[in-house]
Amino acid sequence: GQQVMQIPQYQHVQEGEDFTTYCNSSTTLSNIQWYKQRPGGHPVFLIQLVKSGEVKKQKRLTFQFGEAKKNSSLHITATQTTDVGTYFCAGKEGAQKLVFGQGTRLTINP
Amino acid sequence: NAGVTQTPKFQVLKTGQSMTLQCAQDMNHEYMSWYRQDPGMGLRLIHYSVGAGITDQGEVPNGYNVSRSTTEDFPLRLLSAAPSQTSVYFCASSYGGRGYTFGSGTRLTVV
Repeated sequence: GQQVMQIPQYQHVQEGEDFTTYCNSSTTLSNIQWYKQRPGGHPVFLIQLVKSGEVKKQKRLTFQFGEAKKNSSLHITATQTTDVGTYFCAGKEGAQKLVFGQGTRLTINP
Repeated sequence: NAGVTQTPKFQVLKTGQSMTLQCAQDMNHEYMSWYRQDPGMGLRLIHYSVGAGITDQGEVPNGYNVSRSTTEDFPLRLLSAAPSQTSVYFCASSYGGRGYTFGSGTRLTVV
């Protein structure tokens, strides 16, 4: 079945440094979604990418979808303490099931 | 709008007991799903539904049942609780293939 792998599992940075998490699927995806989960909270939807090679930005966050629609990345520029949390990618095969990666837990030293 | 409401927030069960986790949404979303979250395992799909009367299995369906008699409600039943079902359970909904809205979760401990 569909598998979504995400690396790294953990990342610790100094405030102001950049951060990147990568997501790879074993199959071609119809779209990919990104979520953020704060400690003790629930996942919150950030963005959805649909087109091959698509790049979207939300302030300091940049999301990319690979040309083959099998990989994606999230890059945060100049991290702030409010960026702390776990970032999940989730891939859709077709129109239905959304399968999540294991997540990247980001911690920040102020 | 309340969004996605899950009850209870916390639950302790004894091995072998059964219970139902409730999930309700007031956004008229056709798609609803249940995930469990375990440390280092991310979110794993248990069951999902694409509309009232239609359900299907996800990655880890064993030991769980679901039904979808209305658009609003999607309860998850644990048939005979086992310690391996200790987890945080999230219900989520969406429409039109858009991003999911998650409930605040149910923290279940099976002793």
